[in-house]
Amino acid sequence: SQQGEEDPQALSIQEGENATMNCSYKTSINNLQWYRQNSGRGLVHLILIRSNEREKHSGRLRVTLDTSKKSSSLLITASRAADTASYFCATAEDDYKLSFGAGTTVTVRA
Amino acid sequence: DAGITQSPRHKVTETGTPVTLRCHQTENHRYMYWYRQDPGHGLRLIHYSYGVKDTDKGEVSDGYSVSRSKTEDFLLTLESATSSQTSVYFCAISGGQNSYEQYFGPGTRLTVT
Repeated sequence: SQQGEEDPQALSIQEGENATMNCSYKTSINNLQWYRQNSGRGLVHLILIRSNEREKHSGRLRVTLDTSKKSSSLLITASRAADTASYFCATAEDDYKLSFGAGTTVTVRA
Repeated sequence: DAGITQSPRHKVTETGTPVTLRCHQTENHRYMYWYRQDPGHGLRLIHYSYGVKDTDKGEVSDGYSVSRSKTEDFLLTLESATSSQTSVYFCAISGGQNSYEQYFGPGTRLTVT
């Protein structure tokens, strides 16, 4: 069964605005990762946050992790048309397997 | 891009026929994975490998088998394809310097008629 669940399922924003999406999961994790998928392509790794970290930044991406609430958020600042994609959270428990959520589809309007 | 290729990229086959999908990597990563992606389900793990000839089942392994005889190749076989196996199949690898990150192939779109 899926470990992570993203919210919302879909998000439409204007170019330049920020996009925030959330991920909730059920069991203890070693780390949580976010991936992006452009239409018709494979997934691309964006950022990894470990269970002992609370916040991480990478360029225009900011990820938070709250292990007490079993939730994470991904913020994309100053969105661009090229950010239009589906975003997936994935959780890793004690091994190298990942459990993916169903994803958030983000559309950035020009 | 990580050196991962999948073949074929598209395939249409009939119910009951065997199908083999190939994943090839040039990164010498230890772990290899097969996922399927269906609308509303995200990615679901079918099988994975943690070394040559070392494989294990994932979440949706029924009807699928795998083999890994070389580090670089991971084969997924549908023994007798069914319409419910119509999906997009992704191979991924991990175990490099950033060991938990997975790198994905371009996918194979399989249609079972």
